[in-house]
Amino acid sequence: DAGVTQSPTHLIKTRGQQVTLRCSPKSGHDTVSWYQQALGQGPQFIFQYYEEEERQRGNFPDRFSGHQFPNYSSELNVNALLLGDSALYLCASTRRRNTEAFFGQGTRLTVV
Amino acid sequence: QKEVEQDPGPLSVPEGAIVSLNCTYSNSAFQYFMWYRQYSRKGPELLMYTYSSGNKEDGRFTAQVDKSSKYISLFIRDSQPSDSATYLCAMSVTGTASKLTFGTGTRLQVTL
Repeated sequence: DAGVTQSPTHLIKTRGQQVTLRCSPKSGHDTVSWYQQALGQGPQFIFQYYEEEERQRGNFPDRFSGHQFPNYSSELNVNALLLGDSALYLCASTRRRNTEAFFGQGTRLTVV
Repeated sequence: QKEVEQDPGPLSVPEGAIVSLNCTYSNSAFQYFMWYRQYSRKGPELLMYTYSSGNKEDGRFTAQVDKSSKYISLFIRDSQPSDSATYLCAMSVTGTASKLTFGTGTRLQVTL
């Protein structure tokens, strides 16, 4: 049973560019959340998607947007990249009312 | 002031020692309390979760929540080198599948 898979694993982008990160949830899960983890910090909640709609959002600017597809997979888009966007981006999936969030291994984004 | 405070360590202990990890928080609305373990270059994995106040034990791990003091703890008995990782506390108002607020993580090193 595949867990949460994220792609790509590593990415280097230039300031001002746009990036798209992808996440496939664990089998049987329908809810996807995205987190940003800066070096030496805990993950920070970006937003959560369920039934193809954004259900909750953390304190992140509109440059961060997302999408969920009918097969429950999700994308995180970041526009106008800043150096401070360099971080590990984690995807977590759950069943809507399940008790445990399963995390993927993350995408390491470096903005230069 | 951060909603969740956690000493980043690093914490170094000899094999077999009892480890105590702690977090404090300021948001009294938090009802769900979790501990995640994160190995280097991996996503967090859930160790234990507790609803409201009380203790919970699972093998070598014990979680304690004191809502009156806004203080949670994780104890690891008979620590092993394989326990070397970063331990993150996380909290939620509405459930473990909803928005999680994390501490910064404590890096633990168990030495032979």
